Amino acid sequence: AQSVTQLGSHVSVSEGALVLLRCNYSSSVPPYLFWYVQYPNQGLQLLLKYTSAATLVKGINGFEAEFKKSETSFHLTKPSAHMSDAAEYFCAVSDQAGTALIFGKGTTLSVSS
Amino acid sequence: GAVVSQHPSWVICKSGTSVKIECRSLDFQATTMFWYRQFPKQSLMLMATSNEGSKATYEQGVEKDKFLINHASLTLSTLTVTSAHPEDSSFYICSARENRVREGYTFGSGTRLTVV
Repeated sequence: AQSVTQLGSHVSVSEGALVLLRCNYSSSVPPYLFWYVQYPNQGLQLLLKYTSAATLVKGINGFEAEFKKSETSFHLTKPSAHMSDAAEYFCAVSDQAGTALIFGKGTTLSVSS
Repeated sequence: GAVVSQHPSWVICKSGTSVKIECRSLDFQATTMFWYRQFPKQSLMLMATSNEGSKATYEQGVEKDKFLINHASLTLSTLTVTSAHPEDSSFYICSARENRVREGYTFGSGTRLTVV
C-alpha cells in the first residue's frame, strides 16, 4: 500500500528564508503526489501536484516541488518565506488514478519576523 | 475553479443524537467523493469512499452503522453520524473527485463536530 512520510513535524524559519518541507513516498507503482496547505479550522488548499509529467512542479504562492524517483522524494520548497505561509502542510499520494489520497502526518510551518 | 461546499461548518450536538453533514460539488459532477476525519494536530484519516448510486466503501475500523454515507446524486454526498458520542467529536472533511481535471481533488472547508 502506498504511504508518505513527512520528516519533521514542525519547521521554523525566519521571514525571507528558504522553506524546505520534506516528503518521501512509498509506492510500488509510479505515484501521483500532492502538497496541500491547511489553515486553522479550514479545509485543504492544493499547492501543487505531480502526475508524471514534468518532475519539477511549480505551484501557487511561489512553492515548487521536485519529484525524485531515485530518492523516492517530493520535497516542497519556497525561496523566501512570508509570514502568511505559516500553516499546516500535508503531503499526499495516490497510486491509482481516481483513488483516495493518503496523507502524511503533516508539518507545521512557523515563520518568524 | 472547482468548488465543494460543505455544511455545516460547525455543529454542537447532544450525546445520543444524530448529525448530518452535507458535501456538494457546485460546478461539476462528482461521481466519487471521499470522507476524512481529522483529530486535533493530526493528519486526515480516510473514512470511506462513496460512489454515486452505490454503497460506500468503508476503511477498516470505521463503523458503517455509525457513519452513514449517502451519495444519491452526482453533486451531493452526506455523512450522518448516528447516536453521536463525545469520542466522535472531530473535524470531518469531504473531498470530491473532479473528472475534468487530471487527478483533480477538491476539498470542502470541513465541519467541526462537538458532541456534549
